[in-house]
Amino acid sequence: DVKVTQSSRYLVKRTGEKVFLECVQDMDHENMFWYRQDPGLGLRLIYFSYDVKMKEKGDIPEGYSVSREKKERFSLILESASTNQTSMYLCASSLPPTEKYEQYFGPGTRLTVT
Amino acid sequence: LAKTTQPISMDSYEGQEVNITCSHNNIATNDYITWYQQFPSQGPRFIIQGYKTKVTNEVASLFIPADRKSSTLSLPRVSLSDTAVYYCLVGVTYNNNDMRFGAGTRLTVKP
Repeated sequence: DVKVTQSSRYLVKRTGEKVFLECVQDMDHENMFWYRQDPGLGLRLIYFSYDVKMKEKGDIPEGYSVSREKKERFSLILESASTNQTSMYLCASSLPPTEKYEQYFGPGTRLTVT
Repeated sequence: LAKTTQPISMDSYEGQEVNITCSHNNIATNDYITWYQQFPSQGPRFIIQGYKTKVTNEVASLFIPADRKSSTLSLPRVSLSDTAVYYCLVGVTYNNNDMRFGAGTRLTVKP
């Protein structure tokens, strides 16, 4: 069965801390994505990666960076956490886009920055 | 990127058929229409995808009129467990950077 796991379900960090959110998929998918989800705004794409060491900015990359050193792992980094980064963070993976394009999501990490 | 408009929320009762409509007036020729479902405390999961006319699977049906400017997700005989947020996405499936999730429709099924 397809599986995307995220390192933590809940995380509390202080303003200014460096935060790492880890995502691992076991499906050998080329593509991986990071979203944040806020009430009333749906899911917004932060970054995605279509191959190891490759990344592209999504709609809201400011304040975030990513790392993909191995195919199965995609990390989201908050260099200096701020309170407006308090949110639910969702990771997803997919095969390369074809006629049927399906993203598989992890359970999410609820990050609170105080 | 094609923009979509959905109702913010809908209520239904167990056993009823639920239809959620999504408007996408600026859909492009190569765009597909995809629906996801998200339960509380979980990530979204793919439900159904289509290009035109009607698509049906074990979970839902997707109706797309000839002009493709809207689409309707149909859930037959809903149960309490169908309470979730439903997202409509429009975009080309061969481009990672083309599809976007909107705010979705929060469906509440009542007993």
